[in-house]
Amino acid sequence: QKEVEQNSGPLSVPEGAIASLNCTYSDRGSQSFFWYRQYSGKSPELIMFIYSNGDKEDGRFTAQLNKASQYVSLLIRDSQPSDSATYLCAVEGAGRRALTFGSGTRLQVQP
Amino acid sequence: DTGVSQNPRHKITKRGQNVTFRCDPISEHNRLYWYRQTLGQGPEFLTYFQNEAQLEKSRLLSDRFSAERPKGSFSTLEIQRTEQGDSAMYLCASSLESSTDTQYFGPGTRLTVL
Repeated sequence: QKEVEQNSGPLSVPEGAIASLNCTYSDRGSQSFFWYRQYSGKSPELIMFIYSNGDKEDGRFTAQLNKASQYVSLLIRDSQPSDSATYLCAVEGAGRRALTFGSGTRLQVQP
Repeated sequence: DTGVSQNPRHKITKRGQNVTFRCDPISEHNRLYWYRQTLGQGPEFLTYFQNEAQLEKSRLLSDRFSAERPKGSFSTLEIQRTEQGDSAMYLCASSLESSTDTQYFGPGTRLTVL
């Protein structure tokens, strides 16, 4: 079992729809959770981080964390073609600074 | 305010050669990380510095890999006797020791070993 799992996709949504990206992790002691966006050929760009159970909103993005279920999600409202990218879930384990990444979910927003 | 910078951006080398990459973190950041990313995968952690001290190394970091951060500012990653399996994007990230400690990535160095 991988430490951080994501559906590779592609996830295809029409422009203006809500895109829902999911991530599960195996280390129950994990403390911090991050979502990065990566365009093809570019480096990861931080979108959001979340530490506490519940929802955290930032503009069109909402991160959701459920530590009991070891589940993190990212919702993108009013999806735009420019949101088309790979979304990486990253987890910081207990007592560590290194991030463990999932393989990413490729999102395609259709105009 | 400049972000993380990495040089060179691309490196092509022949198998068996040594290569060195440089990373300059965001100026006030005291933590620096190296990751490696291959096609279709997320970044894999290699090593981490807090100031000049190397505090964590991955099992992925074989004897051929060495990293330094001599004055707690820029860092170098050297790969000796490169192998074709070393071909990847090498990413550097930095963060400021704080409660949030979010990592910001540089543009990466793409290594191709022929």
